[in-house]
Amino acid sequence: GAGVSQTPSNKVTEKGKYVELRCDPISGHTALYWYRQSLGQGPEFLIYFQGTGAADDSGLPNDRFFAVRPEGSVSTLKIQRTERGDSAVYLCASSPGLAGGYFDEQFFGPGTRLTVL
Amino acid sequence: SQQGEEDPQALSIQEGENATMNCSYKTSINNLQWYRQNSGRGLVHLILIRSNEREKHSGRLRVTLDTSKKSSSLLITASRAADTASYFCATDPNTGNQFYFGTGTSLTVIP
Repeated sequence: GAGVSQTPSNKVTEKGKYVELRCDPISGHTALYWYRQSLGQGPEFLIYFQGTGAADDSGLPNDRFFAVRPEGSVSTLKIQRTERGDSAVYLCASSPGLAGGYFDEQFFGPGTRLTVL
Repeated sequence: SQQGEEDPQALSIQEGENATMNCSYKTSINNLQWYRQNSGRGLVHLILIRSNEREKHSGRLRVTLDTSKKSSSLLITASRAADTASYFCATDPNTGNQFYFGTGTSLTVIP
């Protein structure tokens, strides 16, 4: 079946612009995660959705970052007034949901490479 | 922030040898997972070990967990060139709803 997809695969923007990154999770997965990965580093947790609600958004760096998942499936990560430091690969993952209250195996998309000039 | 740290940062071995990488983390966890990332591609889940488990096997992979030392190890036996990738541990702290990846070990298996 289809895995997690992310669009666009690459996004180049200018400093100060607004961008939206989209994630289509695996059908039926209730949990969705956003991460940011810089070169040579591990993924950095940004936000976790359980259904439509953000169960934890403590990883969002500042109020320029916002994510939504209005119908409990597709999610959009929105970045306002982009800065050069926002350049990174943004990864999305989904999982069936909390298994017994614990995080279970996550299925990752290929990521969106964001470059802010 | 990174909750976990892998050791070594880079490892180069000959095909057929075993590869061992270690992960240390900071806070109490519900479970620990290992992921692989091939260059320029997405992450793939390898194995999950719960906090009440000490060892788990999956094919050529063996994972151990020592919660008293807050550490885990991943052993890949009889390595293959296709195992060349970065390997990350990831933890699910029992204090909230975050999920943290470590800094990764870059493994190169020379044919």
